Parts: sequence; C-alpha cells; structure tokens
Amino acid sequence: RKEVEQDPGPFNVPEGATVAFNCTYSNSASQSFFWYRQDCRKEPKLLMSVYSSGNEDGRFTAQLNRASQYISLLIRDSKLSDSATYLCVGLGGSGNTGKLIFGQGTTLQVKP
Amino acid sequence: NAGVTQTPKFQVLKTGQSMTLQCAQDMNHEYMSWYRQDPGMGLRLIHYSVGAGITDQGEVPNGYNVSRSTTEDFPLRLLSAAPSQTSVYFCASSRDPRYEQYFGPGTRLTVT
Repeated sequence: RKEVEQDPGPFNVPEGATVAFNCTYSNSASQSFFWYRQDCRKEPKLLMSVYSSGNEDGRFTAQLNRASQYISLLIRDSKLSDSATYLCVGLGGSGNTGKLIFGQGTTLQVKP
Repeated sequence: NAGVTQTPKFQVLKTGQSMTLQCAQDMNHEYMSWYRQDPGMGLRLIHYSVGAGITDQGEVPNGYNVSRSTTEDFPLRLLSAAPSQTSVYFCASSRDPRYEQYFGPGTRLTVT
C-alpha cells in the first residue's frame, strides 16, 4: 500500500462548482501534511499546510482526520485558473529528515 | 528574493557523462533537498541537507552525490549518467525540515 494515496481523477467540473479531494495516509506518525498545486511541467507550489485539524485560506479548506488517517481539500467557487494537479503530501518518519511523501496527484479540470 | 533557483533548465547527456545540477536559495533556509519526478512515480527524495556541511541520503540516492559547503547552495552531481536518470529534478528548501518546503523551477534531464 502506498504511504499517501489519492484518486488520480480527472475531476471535470464547471466554473463555480465546489469540488473535494480526499487523500489517505498509512503512517500514523506523520505530524504534518501539505497540499501542493502543480501545473503542467512546472514545480509544485505550496497551497496549504495542515498541522492540526484543518486550515482555511479563501476558497480553499483543508481538513485532517487523524483517527481515519485522511486529509481532504475543498475548493469552493471553482475558477478556470484552478485547473491543475493537486498533490497531497505527508511528512515522513519523525519529521526531522524533511522527507516529503507525495501522493500521485489529483487532476482537476475546470470548464467554462 | 529570487527564492529557489536551478540551472540549467534543460540538459541532454550521453550515457556515462557526468554533470552538476545547480541549486541556490536566498531565503537563508537551513534545510535543502533534491527530488526527482517520473511519470507514474510521484516525487522521490534523492538527498537532503539540514545545514551547511551536513548531508544525508534519501529514498533514491544511487548514482548521485551532493555537498553543502554554504547555506545557499546545494549542487547535485551525476557521476556517470544512465538512461534511468532521465527525469525532472527539483530542488527544495525550508526553514526547518518539519515545515513546508519551497521548490525551484526544475531541471529537465534526458540521458541518451
């Protein structure tokens, strides 16, 4: 089983829709999680850090459920510019190595 | 601040050649790391450094060397390039290995 798993999608949604991605992790010792956004052939860009139960930034909300070992990302009022691959990332091991464990990514396509 | 910079952007090597991928950051981050991204594999950690003079191996270190003589620079050396090293290489940095990392624009390497 992969340490971090995501549904690869693609998710095709109309502009203005609300879309949610889920991500599960297997390492119960992981303390920190992140959502990164990656556009085609570009570097991952940090979208949100999740250190406790959740985080919110504008249209984006992340929630962490440690009991069930999953993290979710909710995007409200989707924009065309939200089209990208969203990477769920956990901090592996004790966290002192900084080793990021990446999910495969979920592709979102927002259509007019 | 330029953030994390990487050179070159593209490189083609023949099997057996060596080269160095450059990475620099101007954020005074102690932690730096190198990842490679392959289709269907996600990003995988090659080497990392928690400060000047300290480096350690990640998940896929074979065929690569690193050094960290200054806080700003973290070059990745390919000793004898192989076609299996064809990939996109990302450098990242963070103020602390427990927190979010910021990625450079990447180097696209092809080994023929």
